[in-house]
Order: sequence, then structure tokens, then C-alpha cells
Amino acid sequence: QVQLVQSGAEVKKPGASVKISCTASGYTFIAYYIHWVRQAPGQGLEWMGIINPSSGGTNFAQKFQGRVTMTRDTSTDTVYMDLNTLTSEDTALYFCARDLSPGSSLAGAYWGQGTLVTVSS
Amino acid sequence: DIVMTQSPDSLAVSLGERATINCKSSLSVLHTSNNKNYLAWYQQKSGQPPKLLFYWASTRESGVPDRFSGSGSGTDFTLTINSLQAEDVAVYYCQQYYTPHSLTFGGGTKVEIK
Repeated sequence: QVQLVQSGAEVKKPGASVKISCTASGYTFIAYYIHWVRQAPGQGLEWMGIINPSSGGTNFAQKFQGRVTMTRDTSTDTVYMDLNTLTSEDTALYFCARDLSPGSSLAGAYWGQGTLVTVSS
Repeated sequence: DIVMTQSPDSLAVSLGERATINCKSSLSVLHTSNNKNYLAWYQQKSGQPPKLLFYWASTRESGVPDRFSGSGSGTDFTLTINSLQAEDVAVYYCQQYYTPHSLTFGGGTKVEIK
């Protein structure tokens, strides 16, 4: 069965960076795009960007451009999301999600369990 | 960016009654090339990741009970829950995928039991 397992919770100081991993299993890793979505405490869902695990190509929401990097390691079926220059507003639960359809950017059909990032001095 | 606006922000419905959630996009998400609406609906229960309910506005994801239905076209969409059950308490989100590689979510609608 399809599974996405994310790395554990992080606590960071303002100005620092955080790198979250998302390891996939149960399907052909390079066939499906991976989305990153975050959710601040008590708030809604915010799409951050997408990575094509086959090519490594990425697209980011304008809000995060210049501050986010998404990479993948096809030897371990893992994607990474790196967010720098953290502020308290980046405190959130971060999700990775596999797309519904191969080679497409449609919707998140399978989701990781979420990684809580807390930014605090 | 396409802005997605949901209404209401929250609603309380009696068990067995109908819940209706609206979603409006700032631009049409109907692709005329294939006559498909590039819209999805999710359910998020407390402490869980979102669960995909519908895509192409009205195509039900496998395993979603048929008391849930998605409808609408262009800029106006509706998620309907017929005969609300206790397990349907959740926050529901719409999301457009019309803009390639640039998804946006609505603000969410919280459904509770009256």
C-alpha cells in the first residue's frame, strides 16, 4: 500500500533553516509528483510547492519562492523540503502528499503524517 | 493566483440531515479543452492529514461513502453531505488545480453536529 513517512518534529530558532524528509513506499516513486502543504495551528491548508521526483523539477507558491528548496533522492525514494530564514509564522504542521495521477499536478491522494515545526527563540 | 472562497466558515447540522458547503473560485476552473472542472474536495478530521474526497469536482475517490456528493461548474461548486453521520464531523476544503503546478485551497468549512 502507498505510504509516505515523514521525519520527526523540529524546534528551530528564528533565522534558522529546517529540512523535512518524506519517504515513499508502495508505488513507483518517480511516477508521481509530491506536493508540500502546511497548516499553521488552528488554520487552513496552504500549498507550498511541488516536486517531480523523476526530473527533480520544482514549482513553488510565490509566497515561498527564494526561501524553499525541494529535492529528491531516487536511491531512497525520499523527497526533502528545506525552508530557510524561519520566523514564528513558519510554525506549522508540514505535510507531503503524493499526487492522484502519474505525471500530473492535480490533488493530494496520499498524505504523510505531518511534521510539526516550531519556531521559537 | 486563483482565490478559492468557501462558505460558510462553519455549520452545525443535526444527525441525519443535509450539510451543504459552497466553494467559489475567482476564475473559472473549467478547462474547455476537456470540459473538466479542475477542483478537488478534502475532508480533514481532527489530528489527521486531509483525505481526498472528490476530484474533477464530482468524481468520488474510492471508499468515499455515497452520501457525499460534489457538484458545480466554472466558478461555483458544492459539497453535499446527505444524512450527516457523527463520523463526518471535520473541516472540509476545496482546492483548485487549474493553474499548472500552482494549487490553492479554500479557507475551510467546519462541520459540527447540532
